[in-house]
Amino acid sequence: SQQGEEDPQALSIQEGENATMNCSYKTSINNLQWYRQNSGRGLVHLILIRSNEREKHSGRLRVTLDTSKKSSSLLITASRAADTASYFCATDGETSGSRLTFGEGTQLTVNP
Amino acid sequence: DTAVSQTPKYLVTQMGNDKSIKCEQNLGHDTMYWYKQDSKKFLKIMFSYNNKELIINETVPNRFSPKSPDKAHLNLHINSLELGDSAVYFCASRSVGAQYFGPGTRLLVL
Repeated sequence: SQQGEEDPQALSIQEGENATMNCSYKTSINNLQWYRQNSGRGLVHLILIRSNEREKHSGRLRVTLDTSKKSSSLLITASRAADTASYFCATDGETSGSRLTFGEGTQLTVNP
Repeated sequence: DTAVSQTPKYLVTQMGNDKSIKCEQNLGHDTMYWYKQDSKKFLKIMFSYNNKELIINETVPNRFSPKSPDKAHLNLHINSLELGDSAVYFCASRSVGAQYFGPGTRLLVL
């Protein structure tokens, strides 16, 4: 069964607002990663958080990880229309070798 | 200077045909992958190679055969194409942790 589940499936906000996406997973992980996919394009790596980290920042992105709840969140602050994309979490499991298991994705629409 | 490139970008073909997709990365990574993304955007790993050796082979029909002539290239050959093979196929390579994806090959089987 799929490792990750993302919530919400779709999110529509206005420019300037913050967007929060959540991801839950099932097994122990080495790290969790977030990716963005613009329509018709490949996935782009955004940020990686290790299992011993609780929070990480990169520009307007803030990622949290709660290993006790097996969940992560991605916050995009001061959103822009260009942030419109699908966002995926992916887990690098402790026993999965070098594979990533992707969540179902959240479709974010930022309205100008 | 594209990091991970795939050809072709679009592939429209008839059922029963055989087709190949090529992937090249110029990042110097040792590990490469093939993923399939279905119409619901669900991304599933198919194969992984590390330095030309197969290390991950998911439950994929044996009509799909990957080949890695060197660590910078990972090609995917598909025999006897079926309607259900229609999807977007992504190649990726891996650095420490992060994966770098190609632009995808949109396969449509008619």
